[in-house]
Amino acid sequence: GNSVTQMEGPVTLSEEAFLTINCTYTATGYPSLFWYVQYPGEGLQLLLKATKADDKGSNKGFEATYRKETTSFHLEKGSVQVSDSAVYFCALSPPGGYQKVTFGTGTKLQVIP
Amino acid sequence: EPEVTQTPSHQVTQMGQEVILRCVPISNHLYFYWYRQILGQKVEFLVSFYNNEISEKSEIFDDQFSVERPDGSNFTLKIRSTKLEDSAMYFCASSADRDNQPQHFGDGTRLSIL
Repeated sequence: GNSVTQMEGPVTLSEEAFLTINCTYTATGYPSLFWYVQYPGEGLQLLLKATKADDKGSNKGFEATYRKETTSFHLEKGSVQVSDSAVYFCALSPPGGYQKVTFGTGTKLQVIP
Repeated sequence: EPEVTQTPSHQVTQMGQEVILRCVPISNHLYFYWYRQILGQKVEFLVSFYNNEISEKSEIFDDQFSVERPDGSNFTLKIRSTKLEDSAMYFCASSADRDNQPQHFGDGTRLSIL
């Protein structure tokens, strides 16, 4: 079946540091890939998405590239801010079907001033 | 930007009682979903709903659970005879179509079973 594996957290960074959160997936065919973010006390918000190989999703300074050859969708940001502190979930939905989303376990990011 | 709204934000219920969690999906969306997140664990798919019927459900979604779209705007999750292990955050989501349209999530209902 489909699965998503992301790096264990928590990740603690100083403000303006470079962020990478690794994500790899197992799926049949070409799933759609997502990063969702959950700020403290809030729900899940779509951060970015990519629907085919070599697509780059980007939003709010975050980027992730759909790498079919390595089945990866790593999240990156060049300069993190305190306001980026949240839990980040990598996720996929299969091609076709009814979009049952499979989530990774989440990576907690804490950015300190 | 349109939002998925969920009520209540927090529900406290005695074990064995029935609970109904409510969701108002985005108005032009056609596909609806429930997920749950037990504290400290991953978000898990429960059920998807389209055209007034369940299209897919997980092993978690047993006879204790049911979903309904009672009118043109609400989408509900009913849990009968709640158990302690039903304590979790329950997320509703909706999407415009099934092909490459992302799901939009509500803020969740925190369900606490005593």
